[in-house]
Amino acid sequence: EPEVTQTPSHQVTQMGQEVILRCVPISNHLYFYWYRQILGQKVEFLVSFYNNEISEKSEIFDDQFSVERPDGSNFTLKIRSTKLEDSAMYFCASNGQGADTQYFGPGTRLTVL
Amino acid sequence: SQKIEQNSEALNIQEGKTATLTCNYTNYSPAYLQWYRQDPGRGPVFLLLIRENEKEKRKERLKVTFDTTLKQSLFHITASQPADSATYLCALVQPTRQLTFGSGTQLTVLP
Repeated sequence: EPEVTQTPSHQVTQMGQEVILRCVPISNHLYFYWYRQILGQKVEFLVSFYNNEISEKSEIFDDQFSVERPDGSNFTLKIRSTKLEDSAMYFCASNGQGADTQYFGPGTRLTVL
Repeated sequence: SQKIEQNSEALNIQEGKTATLTCNYTNYSPAYLQWYRQDPGRGPVFLLLIRENEKEKRKERLKVTFDTTLKQSLFHITASQPADSATYLCALVQPTRQLTFGSGTQLTVLP
């Protein structure tokens, strides 16, 4: 069964450093999302992406964040200058045209020291 | 925007019993609600979706109801097993397609 994959599974970085989290959505899907979950808290929406552009973003998704689909398969989230409060699990999700269900990847645990 | 709440943070039940989890939302009824399962350190896994014009949906031992008058969805696991122990999340879809999740209910099924 097709699945969303994410790399790395765990990323440790120093405050102020840039990180790139990578996702490979399900191959025929057209809508892509990033969510995050701070330990013990809700899963929160960050950004959605369709047709090579951002379609919606939350208040969390400020100028330090960016997303890109550099080729036909990868979908990346970049945090330009990480802060301690960026430490969280980051989940990528995707769904197809006309489909209601979003499929989530296993997540990347980001730890900012 | 829409808000969604899951009333119980944790629920313990005995194996074989039916677990019932509650999800309430504010404002207008969403087009549909979804239920996900999340295990520790893992991503949410889709379980069931129910639309506003559906009263009930079933999948094996799972049942979801949707009451637009009460603004509530109930999620039932019948004949529960220890392997059902996990956090269950309800989520509504915003008009702009992103999901808004509840805080989840941690279910523990005791053998």
